[in-house]
Amino acid sequence: EADIYQTPRYLVIGTGKKITLECSQTMGHDKMYWYQQDPGMELHLIHYSYGVNSTEKGDLSSESTVSRIRTEHFPLTLESARPSHTSQYLCASSGGGADTQYFGPGTRLTVL
Amino acid sequence: QKEVEQDPGPLSVPEGAIVSLNCTYSNSAFQYFMWYRQYSRKGPELLMYTYSSGNKEDGRFTAQVDKSSKYISLFIRDSQPSDSATYLCAITKTSYDKVIFGPGTSLSVIP
Repeated sequence: EADIYQTPRYLVIGTGKKITLECSQTMGHDKMYWYQQDPGMELHLIHYSYGVNSTEKGDLSSESTVSRIRTEHFPLTLESARPSHTSQYLCASSGGGADTQYFGPGTRLTVL
Repeated sequence: QKEVEQDPGPLSVPEGAIVSLNCTYSNSAFQYFMWYRQYSRKGPELLMYTYSSGNKEDGRFTAQVDKSSKYISLFIRDSQPSDSATYLCAITKTSYDKVIFGPGTSLSVIP
């Protein structure tokens, strides 16, 4: 079983608030990812990192930012939450040769 | 044309049926093929991973890759209600390329 954790699991917050979604993994994986997924819809890659101090934007434009100061930690921050940010955010990590990704349980964000 | 396509379903089968889930892809450079299962409101979990063409079996699950047709399949034998989930195929060229996920097929196994 993969050891990747996300907190909080659920978050309801008002418009304009700053939020940080936490993601940690204990597998020593170099690669980490953030995906956004609406119910019943596709996964969309919003950020990824191939190692410490390396971050890249994904395929889906996002107003969020990420940082990778430690291998095990890859937080995502929204400076000013809006209702359009309401979604599920999934974190994943990979250390395998085929980039087989292991996903966390997700954070379900609702912005009122 | 999308790089990977998958019938979204929903697919509904009776318990005990053999299920076939499929994806097609457009670029022959893809070499690594994966299947993920995602239960409602959970993160995807890796089910199967194959490299290049051929079959791979794990219990009731068999993954099949036909690179000449750019077609990948997941077969589930003796399907159970607990198999009800969305199944996503995923492909990548090398370990340093981004993984491309299919949109997923929703499966319901009816008792």
